[in-house]
Amino acid sequence: GAGVSQSPSNKVTEKGKDVELRCDPISGHTALYWYRQSLGQGLEFLIYFQGNSAPDKSGLPSDRFSAERTGGSVSTLTIQRTQQEDSAVYLCASSPQGLAYNEQFFGPGTRLTVL
Amino acid sequence: TQLLEQSPQFLSIQEGENLTVYCNSSSVFSSLQWYRQEPGEGPVLLVTVVTGGEVKKLKRLTFQFGDARKDSSLHITAAQPGDTGLYLCAGEKAGGTSYGKLTFGQGTILTVHP
Repeated sequence: GAGVSQSPSNKVTEKGKDVELRCDPISGHTALYWYRQSLGQGLEFLIYFQGNSAPDKSGLPSDRFSAERTGGSVSTLTIQRTQQEDSAVYLCASSPQGLAYNEQFFGPGTRLTVL
Repeated sequence: TQLLEQSPQFLSIQEGENLTVYCNSSSVFSSLQWYRQEPGEGPVLLVTVVTGGEVKKLKRLTFQFGDARKDSSLHITAAQPGDTGLYLCAGEKAGGTSYGKLTFGQGTILTVHP
């Protein structure tokens, strides 16, 4: 079956512009996560959706970052007024039940470059 | 302060050598996972350990969870060039309020030369 997909794969934008990153999780997975990864580094947690519960937004670095998940499926991460320090790979993952010991299935990521 | 400290950050070895990657914390984890990531792709799960003292083997890879569930190690025997990649440990902090939320270490970049 299809895995997690993300679009676009690459995004180059100018400082101050808004960007939207999309994630299509595996069908039926109730949990969806967004992470940020700097070059060759570990993953920084951003936000976590689990079913119909209120999302855990504790990892969002500023109020310029927001995310939504429509219909319990597709998710969009929006970064407003982008800054150069926002440049990174943004990874999305989904999981069947949102339990930590369940495997998280990752998409290939969106590489964001802010000029 | 990094909740999960991975070491070493970089590892460059010859084919056939053995290696160990460490993941340490002062916090207790209810479960810990190891992922491997190749360039341009997302991380892929290798193993999950949930019991203190647990040892799991996956071919030439041996994973161990510390007795106190604060640390873990990944040992690779007779490394091969195909083992090259970024290795990440990730854990769910025990007693947390956000189930399913993982904290990742900063990763170990392994290069195995033929």
